[in-house]
Amino acid sequence: TQLLEQSPQFLSIQEGENLTVYCNSSSVFSSLQWYRQEPGEGPVLLVTVVTGGEVKKLKRLTFQFGDARKDSSLHITAAQPGDTGLYLCAGVGDSNYQLIWGAGTKLIIKP
Amino acid sequence: NAGVTQTPKFRILKIGQSMTLQCTQDMNHNYMYWYRQDPGMGLKLIYYSVGAGITDKGEVPNGYNVSRSTTEDFPLRLELAAPSQTSVYFCASSYSRPGGNEQFFGPGTRLTVL
Repeated sequence: TQLLEQSPQFLSIQEGENLTVYCNSSSVFSSLQWYRQEPGEGPVLLVTVVTGGEVKKLKRLTFQFGDARKDSSLHITAAQPGDTGLYLCAGVGDSNYQLIWGAGTKLIIKP
Repeated sequence: NAGVTQTPKFRILKIGQSMTLQCTQDMNHNYMYWYRQDPGMGLKLIYYSVGAGITDKGEVPNGYNVSRSTTEDFPLRLELAAPSQTSVYFCASSYSRPGGNEQFFGPGTRLTVL
C-alpha cells in the first residue's frame, strides 16, 4: 500500500517567518501534486512536480521533488496571513487512476 | 464557468435513511471522483469514473453507490446511512488521468448521520 506522510500536522507561526513542510513516502511516485484547501472549500492545485530533483517556484512558495521521487517539500518565505490553510500533497498511485493523498499540514500565519 | 457544483451543502440524516449527493461539472471532463475527508485523515477515494457509463471502486466504496449516465453528472448514493459515514464529501473532475492533470474540486457536502 502506497502512503504519503506529511509533517508537521499543524504549524502556527508569525507573519514574516519562513517555514518548510514535508511529504514523505517509502514508495516512488511518478508525479506529485500540492494543493491548498481553505475552510469550507475544496482543495485547489498549487503545483505538480514530475522529475526527480525538480524545483518549482510560485512567488514565495518553493516546491521540491526528491531525487528518488519518494518525497517532496514546500518552503514558504516570509509567510503572510493569506498563506493560512491546509496544505495537501498527493501522488499518482500504481493504478494511474487514483491519487494517494497525505493527511495534510494545517498552517496558521498570525499577523 | 461554474466548474464543479455540489448539492446540498449540508445535510443531517438519521441512521438508516438514504440520500443522493449531486455533482455536476461543466468543463467536459472525462474523469470524475468522489472523496470523503475526515479530520486528520486526508482525502479517501470512494468511487471514480473515467467516462459516461464507466465507474470503478476506490479505496472506501462500502455503503456507497454511483452512476455516470452523462459526462456532466456523477451522483453518489448513500443507502442505509450509518454514523461512520459522517464526513465531508468532495466531488472532483479532471480532463484526463491524475498524473500531471489537475483535479478540480467542488465546495463539498457536510453530512452528519445521527
